Amino acid sequence: GAVVSQHPSWVICKSGTSVKIECRSLDFQATTMFWYRQFPKQSLMLMATSNEGSKATYEQGVEKDKFLINHASLTLSTLTVTSAHPEDSSFYICSARETFRQGGYEQYFGPGTRLTVT
Amino acid sequence: QKEVEQDPGPLSVPEGAIVSLNCTYSNSAFQYFMWYRQYSRKGPELLMYTYSSGNKEDGRFTAQVDKSSKYISLFIRDSQPSDSATYLCAMLRQAGTALIFGKGTTLSVSS
Repeated sequence: GAVVSQHPSWVICKSGTSVKIECRSLDFQATTMFWYRQFPKQSLMLMATSNEGSKATYEQGVEKDKFLINHASLTLSTLTVTSAHPEDSSFYICSARETFRQGGYEQYFGPGTRLTVT
Repeated sequence: QKEVEQDPGPLSVPEGAIVSLNCTYSNSAFQYFMWYRQYSRKGPELLMYTYSSGNKEDGRFTAQVDKSSKYISLFIRDSQPSDSATYLCAMLRQAGTALIFGKGTTLSVSS
C-alpha cells in the first residue's frame, strides 16, 4: 500500500516557539492532504484540509493564523504550530488521499507526530 | 447528536473469541464506510472499506453496512492478542471530502 511519512515523530518545544511538522506521500501523488489532532483516548479531529497549490480549508474553531498549513508540492504538506502553548500539546496526524482510476477512494495516514510544549 | 457514535469500550475478550464492533450515524448522506485500526501512538491503518450497504469479508474480518438502520459493524473472528488496538469507524459523504471518525473502541484480547 501507499506510504505516508511524518517528521518529526516526536518533538518537545518551549512555550512561545514555533514547530513545523512535515507530511510526505512517499510513493504517490496527493493533491489533497488532511491534518488531524488527537488527544489521549479521543478520536481524530479534523483540523484542516490541505490542497496543493491553494489555501488550506480550516475547520470551525481552528485558528488558521496559529496552525499554518502549506502544501507546496504533490508530495509534501507542512503544519506549523506558531507560538506554541502547553494546550497545543497533542498527537498530530496527517493523511493523504489517493484517488483510484476506478473512481474509488483511499486515505492513507502518517504515523503521527507527538508534540509536547513545555 | 454527533454524526458518528461509537462506544469507546474498553472491550476485553479471550483469545479465539468473536468480536463485534459497531457504529451508528445520523447523516444519511454518508456513502463510504471504513474501519481503521490504531495501535498506541501510531497512525490509523485502514482495515476495511465498504461503499454503500452490504457485507465485505477479508480474512478474519467482516464489515457490514446497513444504511436503512444507519448502522455499521466490524466482526473479528478467532481474535488474537495482536488484534488488541483501538478500532475507529470512519465515514464520508463523497470522495474528496474529509473522513468523519467515531471515537474509537479499545479492544484487548487476552491469551
